[in-house]
Amino acid sequence: AQRVTQPEKLLSVFKGAPVELKCNYSYSGSPELFWYVQYSRQRLQLLLRHISRESIKGFTADLNKGETSFHLKKPFAQEEDSAMYYCALSAHRDDKIIFGKGTRLHILP
Amino acid sequence: NAGVMQNPRHLVRRRGQEARLRCSPMKGHSHVYWYRQLPEEGLKFMVYLQKENIIDESGMPKERFSAEFPKEGPSILRIQQVVRGDSAAYFCASSLEQGRFQPQHFGDGTRLSIL
Repeated sequence: AQRVTQPEKLLSVFKGAPVELKCNYSYSGSPELFWYVQYSRQRLQLLLRHISRESIKGFTADLNKGETSFHLKKPFAQEEDSAMYYCALSAHRDDKIIFGKGTRLHILP
Repeated sequence: NAGVMQNPRHLVRRRGQEARLRCSPMKGHSHVYWYRQLPEEGLKFMVYLQKENIIDESGMPKERFSAEFPKEGPSILRIQQVVRGDSAAYFCASSLEQGRFQPQHFGDGTRLSIL
């Protein structure tokens, strides 16, 4: 079964410190992995996807098939990074997205 | 482009009533997805529709829930005889084309509260 696990419900990080939001997935094929973000009072929006290999707002995520992980990283946290982050998976030949439960990132001043 | 529009933003119903949630996709998008988020849970896929067709309803409860996306007008998620457990946030997303590489754009959601 397809599953996305985000082990941390809440992550508090000091401004300027590195950030790593963990995401592990369960899927036997080749998935498409995403990170979505929801800032306060805003709608859910796509942050980045593994296929594009982009860095968005300083965030990167590398797909590690051996560890079945897609952790989100940023070297230096900023206060505006405080938000809810969801890791998500789309299976081969499938259009629905499987979401993790989300991690609330709180950047401390 | 106003993006995906959902209404109402908040809906209160008593047990046994019907709830109708509406979703207007982004202009030009013909693919609509509904997700449900229970308290303390992630978003869970419910149903995927194209104009006048249900493509995948594997996440829909078998009873009381139905969805449609008519040729004209918004997509409707309908919950009959609501129960307390239906209280959740319901999100709609739309995409331009089919396929897992197509980004989905989300609405603000409808928060359904059952008294």
